[in-house]
Amino acid sequence: NAGVTQTPKFQVLKTGQSMTLQCAQDMNHEYMSWYRQDPGMGLRLIHYSVGAGITDQGEVPNGYNVSRSTTEDFPLRLLSAAPSQTSVYFCASSPLISGWANTEAFFGQGTRLTVV
Amino acid sequence: QQQVKQSPQSLIVQKGGISIINCAYENTAFDYFPWYQQFPGKGPALLIAIRPDVSEKKEGRFTISFNKSAKQFSLHIMDSQPGDSATYFCAASIPNNDMRFGAGTRLTVKP
Repeated sequence: NAGVTQTPKFQVLKTGQSMTLQCAQDMNHEYMSWYRQDPGMGLRLIHYSVGAGITDQGEVPNGYNVSRSTTEDFPLRLLSAAPSQTSVYFCASSPLISGWANTEAFFGQGTRLTVV
Repeated sequence: QQQVKQSPQSLIVQKGGISIINCAYENTAFDYFPWYQQFPGKGPALLIAIRPDVSEKKEGRFTISFNKSAKQFSLHIMDSQPGDSATYFCAASIPNNDMRFGAGTRLTVKP
């Protein structure tokens, strides 16, 4: 079972470049989310989605875009990379139960992004 | 500011000892409190979780204690083992699916 798959695992970008972090899950989970992890900050929610065609902003959405065209995929786009976006990015998915996703979240292995 | 405050930042425990990590929150709308364990180079994985209608939940060597009136919850790891060495995150979630994490505690269990 693959679970949540993130690609790439590592990426170096130059300031101003754009890129897409890929996330795919094979558990048919309705809820998917993106977090960034920075030292001493824990994980902070960037964007989330409760189903195909539905996305919403989390705690730190600026500089990031998402879309959800299928249940399986939830890509994160950096439109114009900045050094402040250097971080480890995690994608997660969880099932919705009675409309709520506050159940177990399954995380991918992470993408380590460096913006120079 | 962080909605979930976690302490300590780091913890060193001898093998066989008890590891205790504490978290506090302000938002009374939180109704799901999980703990995640993360090993280097890996994503976080759910360890144990509690809802506010119970004061304690135990799974093997891991126990969550929950104090709703004080808005605090803690993770106790009994008989700590070197394999428990990892970073632990508490979190809190509200019904609109927004989960907030603590800053993390790096646990080292010395053999």
